[in-house]
Amino acid sequence: DIVMTQSPDSLAVSLGERATINCKSSQSVLYSSNNNNYLAWYQQKPGQPPKLLIYWASTRASGVPDRFSGSGSGTDFTLTISSLQAEDVAVYYCQQYYSTPLTFGPGTKVDIK
Amino acid sequence: EVQLVESGGGLVQPGGSLRLSCAASGFSFSNYWMSWVRQAPGKGLEWVADIKQDGSATRYVDSVKGRFTISRDNAKNSLHLQMNSLRAEDTAVYYCARMDGATGGDFDIWGQGTMVTVSS
Repeated sequence: DIVMTQSPDSLAVSLGERATINCKSSQSVLYSSNNNNYLAWYQQKPGQPPKLLIYWASTRASGVPDRFSGSGSGTDFTLTISSLQAEDVAVYYCQQYYSTPLTFGPGTKVDIK
Repeated sequence: EVQLVESGGGLVQPGGSLRLSCAASGFSFSNYWMSWVRQAPGKGLEWVADIKQDGSATRYVDSVKGRFTISRDNAKNSLHLQMNSLRAEDTAVYYCARMDGATGGDFDIWGQGTMVTVSS
């Protein structure tokens, strides 16, 4: 199984400042035949289901604001919120879909400082 | 509007059974892999099972193999999860999720979830 880890567990950022979340996979999720990283990011607000933000590690899902960006390749990935807004308070999860079982990271909680 | 609505959750005793359902609308259900993902209270997300468009292939996380069965009825745009031999550790919100047609592995549409509590 591919184990996903995230850091930090939580962070508090001032409004308008940058938030950076890291995700690491226990093995590469880069598929060499198509050069795609099988990595997604989700946002989950309290009492709501998760919402897809990013897929292929760096492609924003439809309707996702451009302050959200994903980067990285292989085993190390980053989700960046360039200018934190109040509505971005949530838990963020990474997920690999390179192989089954599909696995998620433990989540990173983002709050306002 | 693209929508997934789960039902069937509730309180069940250890060893008991429960059948979850998910009603899909607003998209061509038969064109997509579908999944169940669960979240224990206060915990993270865990993929449980998925099923191919025509139902010919299914996959499960090891912890539910032999106990849970995922199925679908494309004529009724519905997804199901039959859960048998339930354990306390199966207590969670169960989400129905559509698997992204472009990538095949992320979840682009989620239902609101249905709570399953396994307790005596």
